[in-house]
Order: sequence, then structure tokens, then C-alpha cells
Amino acid sequence: DAKTTQPPSMDCAEGRAANLPCNHSTISGNEYVYWYRQIHSQGPQYIIHGLKNNETNEMASLIITEDRKSSTLILPHATLRDTAVYYCIVRVLSGNTPLVFGKGTRLSVIA
Amino acid sequence: GAVVSQHPSWVICKSGTSVKIECRSLDFQATTMFWYRQFPKQSLMLMATSNEGSKATYEQGVEKDKFLINHASLTLSTLTVTSAHPEDSSFYICSARDQTSAKGNTQYFGPGTRLTVL
Repeated sequence: DAKTTQPPSMDCAEGRAANLPCNHSTISGNEYVYWYRQIHSQGPQYIIHGLKNNETNEMASLIITEDRKSSTLILPHATLRDTAVYYCIVRVLSGNTPLVFGKGTRLSVIA
Repeated sequence: GAVVSQHPSWVICKSGTSVKIECRSLDFQATTMFWYRQFPKQSLMLMATSNEGSKATYEQGVEKDKFLINHASLTLSTLTVTSAHPEDSSFYICSARDQTSAKGNTQYFGPGTRLTVL
């Protein structure tokens, strides 16, 4: 079973920041937080991951609370192409444990 | 970098026939690949873990004799759906883990293969 909780859906106006929350209250000390997204009829796309420090790349920023029980993925300027299902997953960095997907958040970016 | 390809992207077959789906890691070697299945309006479900040079590990409820997995090289894994039936119609997605330190053991996904069994 997925170890994360996400809202089923969110809307965001085009050009505004999209903030997608994720709760992972049972996260272990060696588990990372990963974010992927799946655009309709495509394979999931890796976005970002982090352990405890905030992370930023060309796609998004990841903010992890100090107690690591929740995180927020931020798309700074959402576009229509960001409409997708976003998955928050916790997993250890090493080893062969596969990603286990929950239901994710369906983000709709509206013009 | 970190590109995973799948072939074919879609396939339509008759009931009772077998279908082979290929998954390749194009710019990295993957000792471990994963196969997922996704039904409409549902999330991805892990079917099996494919290990290079050894037998695949199947998730509970997935028939190993029906979904044959071969991982013959560090860049190629194949999934063969044997004696396909309409209920096997689904979106099949493979994934490979890039275990280089630069990629932090990140798992990358192929574009998926849509199988329709008539």
C-alpha cells in the first residue's frame, strides 16, 4: 500500500504557482520523497526527489517539512501542459525496492 | 539522459495469441527493470521485478506463466503476454532504475504499450 496521502484533485490557473501537498507521516529516516507525474496515456515522468532539504530543479521545487511528515511540490508557473496526475512516493534510495503508486493528485491547469 | 523506450507503443491482437513487449534503457545500464500495468482511471500496479540474468519476481496475483519476463541484457527486458484474452487489455509500462551515483538510483519509465485484445 502507498504510504502517502494526496488530495484527489486540484485546479490551478495558468501562469500561477501550483502547490501540491503530500502527507507521509510514517516516513522512515532513510526514505526519500519522490515526485512523478503522468500525463494522459503516457508513462510517468520523474520530477524531483529529496530527503530532508528543500530541492529545486528546472521543473519544480520540493519543500519538505522539518519533521518530514509532509511535503509540497511547487510548479512555479503552471502551464496547460502541466495538467497531469502527480504522484508522491516515499522510498529508500538504495536497493531494488520498486516504486509503489497511490492514486495521486489530478492537477488541472485552467486557462 | 535516462531514457527508457518501449516497443510497440500499441498493439491489437486476437484472443489466444501472444504478444511481446520490449523495454530498453537507451543511455544507461539497468540490472533491474520493473513492469507495471494500468487499467483505465486507475493507478499503476506493479506486476513484476525483472533482474538481469535471473528469474523475475512476480507480485501476488500475477501469473508468471502468463506474463513471461526475460531480462537477457543490461539494457533490454521483454514481457510476453501469452494466450492473451480481452481482460488482459491494458496499458503496460516498463521502468528501469539508473543506479549511477549521479542519478541517485532514480527509476525512469517508458512511454507505455497499449494492448487491446479482441
